[in-house]
Amino acid sequence: AQSVTQPDIHITVSEGASLELRCNYSYGATPYLFWYVQSPGQGLQLLLKYFSGDTLVQGIKGFEAEFKRSQSSFNLRKPSVHWSDAAEYFCAVGVYNFNKFYFGSGTKLNVKP
Amino acid sequence: DVKVTQSSRYLVKRTGEKVFLECVQDMDHENMFWYRQDPGLGLRLIYFSYDVKMKEKGDIPEGYSVSREKKERFSLILESASTNQTSMYLCASSPPAGVGVTDTQYFGPGTRLTVL
Repeated sequence: AQSVTQPDIHITVSEGASLELRCNYSYGATPYLFWYVQSPGQGLQLLLKYFSGDTLVQGIKGFEAEFKRSQSSFNLRKPSVHWSDAAEYFCAVGVYNFNKFYFGSGTKLNVKP
Repeated sequence: DVKVTQSSRYLVKRTGEKVFLECVQDMDHENMFWYRQDPGLGLRLIYFSYDVKMKEKGDIPEGYSVSREKKERFSLILESASTNQTSMYLCASSPPAGVGVTDTQYFGPGTRLTVL
């Protein structure tokens, strides 16, 4: 069965520090992987997606993610965090059948000044 | 830009009331989805629809029904609201997935429903 695990519920980093949010997935076929961000009281905004090809994908707002098939991981990174990055981040795997998604439980990011 | 709108941002209802949540998308997408979001549980799929008048149960359909009479509109119905349905409800739409591929889902702003 397909599933997505985000092992960190809360993360706090200082502004300007680097960030890595972890995501592990379980899916039998080639995964299509997504990262979304949700600001308080808002819907989800797509940060980036991996479909195929280069395993390092660039997204909006300076984020990037690396797909590692051997580790079943798709970790999100940013070299220097800004206070406006404080939000909740969701990793998702998309399946072919009707384009269903399976989401992780989310990681809430706090940014210290 | 894809736009997905939801009829209400905040809604307060009483136990036993029938509740309608409306979602409209303007990109002619075939697929539409309803999720509920609860702290620590992420997003859980309630129902989805891949065409007009077509619907499929998601992971947590109990206590909910849906309606899709027009391609752009997908409604979630709580037949008799209960307090355990207090949650954030998110609607999404996407183009159809091709053979062996999938595509991005686009989300609305959400409706925070409180059932008293």
